[in-house]
Amino acid sequence: DAGVTQSPTHLIKTRGQQVTLRCSPKSGHDTVSWYQQALGQGPQFIFQYYEEEERQRGNFPDRFSGHQFPNYSSELNVNALLLGDSALYLCASSLGPVGDYRGEQFFGPGTRLTVL
Amino acid sequence: QKEVEQDPGPLSVPEGAIVSLNCTYSNSAFQYFMWYRQYSRKGPELLMYTYSSGNKEDGRFTAQVDKSSKYISLFIRDSQPSDSATYLCAMTKTGANSKLTFGKGITLSVRP
Repeated sequence: DAGVTQSPTHLIKTRGQQVTLRCSPKSGHDTVSWYQQALGQGPQFIFQYYEEEERQRGNFPDRFSGHQFPNYSSELNVNALLLGDSALYLCASSLGPVGDYRGEQFFGPGTRLTVL
Repeated sequence: QKEVEQDPGPLSVPEGAIVSLNCTYSNSAFQYFMWYRQYSRKGPELLMYTYSSGNKEDGRFTAQVDKSSKYISLFIRDSQPSDSATYLCAMTKTGANSKLTFGKGITLSVRP
């Protein structure tokens, strides 16, 4: 059973560019959350998708957007990249909508984004 | 003030030691408390999950929650070199499926 997968593993971009990160949830999961983890910090919640809609959002600007597809996979898009966007981007999958606890969030290995 | 504060590290202990990791929080709405372990270049992995106040034990790991003091702890008994990792506390208001608010993490090294 494949766990959460993310692509690409590493990415290098320059300021002002746009980036798309991809996530496939664990088999049987229907909810995807995205987190940003700066070096030496804990993950920060970006947003969560369920039934192809954004259900919760953290304190991130509109430059961060996402999408969930009918097969539950998800994309994170970041526009107008800043140096401060350099971080490990983690995808977590789970089952059920916000507040409906039916299991833990399983994290993928992350995509390491470097903005030069 | 951050919502979740975690004791700063790094922490280095000899094999077999008892390790105590701690977090404090400011938001009394948090009800679900978790500890994650993160190895280098990996995503976080759930170790322990506790609802409200109390203790929970799983093998060598014990999680404690004191909501009156807004304080949570993770104890590791008989620590092993394989326990060397970064430990993150996390908490939510509405369940483990919801937005997780993490501490900064503490890096633990267990010396053989």
